Amino acid sequence: QSALTQPPSASGSPGQSVTISCTGTSRDVGAYNYVSWYRQYPAKAPKLIIFEVTERPSGVPDRFSGSRSGNTASLTVSGLQTEDEATYFCSSYAGANNLVFGGGTNLTVL
Amino acid sequence: QVQLQESGPGLVKPSQTLSLTCTVSGGSIISDDSYWSWIRQYPGKGLEWIGDIYYSGSTHYNPSLKSRPSISLDTSKNQFSLKMNSVTAADTAVYYCAIRRRVKTDYFDSWGQGILVTVSS
Repeated sequence: QSALTQPPSASGSPGQSVTISCTGTSRDVGAYNYVSWYRQYPAKAPKLIIFEVTERPSGVPDRFSGSRSGNTASLTVSGLQTEDEATYFCSSYAGANNLVFGGGTNLTVL
Repeated sequence: QVQLQESGPGLVKPSQTLSLTCTVSGGSIISDDSYWSWIRQYPGKGLEWIGDIYYSGSTHYNPSLKSRPSISLDTSKNQFSLKMNSVTAADTAVYYCAIRRRVKTDYFDSWGQGILVTVSS
């Protein structure tokens, strides 16, 4: 059982937008501005796509955006492309040097 | 661009100690903004942070793992290592080493390719 709750799956058609939620508690997602998101292709390592809730690393398209409301963070992928089909994980700092992950969401581009 | 590469046995017997090494290339392990981390991914896809070490030797571990993991570093070889004792089948996973940035932030921005460790007799 992962500490952060994500929907197991999400889907959208090319060009559409999809939002993936990540629900934690007031001790992790709701407490710190240290929510990050990772994209993982099969048999590959995760790759950082969002950090500090809304920030994108250099090279990540602005189609990817992050937000947070209370204890729930969200990742929105706009203008879906076939290459966006992957598994997406969220993570959050949880205090006392601890860090927790979500269970991952499989995004399908229909 | 710093690169990370995991190495170690892919099969460990139950009750024994899992030992993995991460070799860092393209940069020094003596870095004031890097925490050298281990993360594992279960076959069902969930990720779990195991722990990390700073170049000073300071370590932090996931409290849910109790005292089972131990992370150390070898600055002369630019490597850091994970040992986990008393393994069971539940420790079967892909193990990643990664760089955790923790100075006024918190995220992993470089990962190794991962190594599958199976616990079985």
